[in-house]
Amino acid sequence: ETGVTQTPRHLVMGMTNKKSLKCEQHLGHNAMYWYKQSAKKPLELMFVYSLEERVENNSVPSRFSPECPNSSHLFLHLHTLQPEDSALYLCAGEGVRDEQYFGPGTRLTVT
Amino acid sequence: AQSVAQPEDQVNVAEGNPLTVKCTYSVSGNPYLFWYVQYPNRGLQFLLKYITGDNLVKGSYGFEAEFNKSQTSFHLKKPSALVSDSALYFCAVSPRMDSSYKLIFGSGTRLLVRP
Repeated sequence: ETGVTQTPRHLVMGMTNKKSLKCEQHLGHNAMYWYKQSAKKPLELMFVYSLEERVENNSVPSRFSPECPNSSHLFLHLHTLQPEDSALYLCAGEGVRDEQYFGPGTRLTVT
Repeated sequence: AQSVAQPEDQVNVAEGNPLTVKCTYSVSGNPYLFWYVQYPNRGLQFLLKYITGDNLVKGSYGFEAEFNKSQTSFHLKKPSALVSDSALYFCAVSPRMDSSYKLIFGSGTRLLVRP
């Protein structure tokens, strides 16, 4: 167990739907991350929040919208996604010396 | 450009034999180096890291990694592989050059340990 939880674990949505992914950690991590993992591709960093402030937006399309209301919660709001957005979305919290602790991920399928 | 290379998509080894998963990086300065493992339908789990000091780093589950600055490599090793070690392994680098919070990940190597 890494202390980082993600819900839902699986999500199927149509291209016109709006949904949100949730990440929660209670380990006191000050930085939290969203990654996209697609088959046979390196992990793609999407967003970084430090102390609830977004510090990195890695050229992610606006159909992905992150939110960090407090240090324990991170959301990824999704709307009008495309089939190529189907992937495993991973949340991570940062511990000491740049170690990152990952949640189990949300497997997203866009139909 | 900063990058991490894992030259092997897959490594096959028999149970009980030693294993090596290769990683090289192209990052200036003195980066931090990491290995993560991912089991099916799970997130990445931290295995070990190198920050400074002894070039041989010991981590979880009997894994170790050897840092070689001249070759800019950080290969993952285990003296005796287990079937349960079969998983996807990622090498990662933290450049530490500025206030960036990025970890740069390799593309991953699938380890298959045969009984």
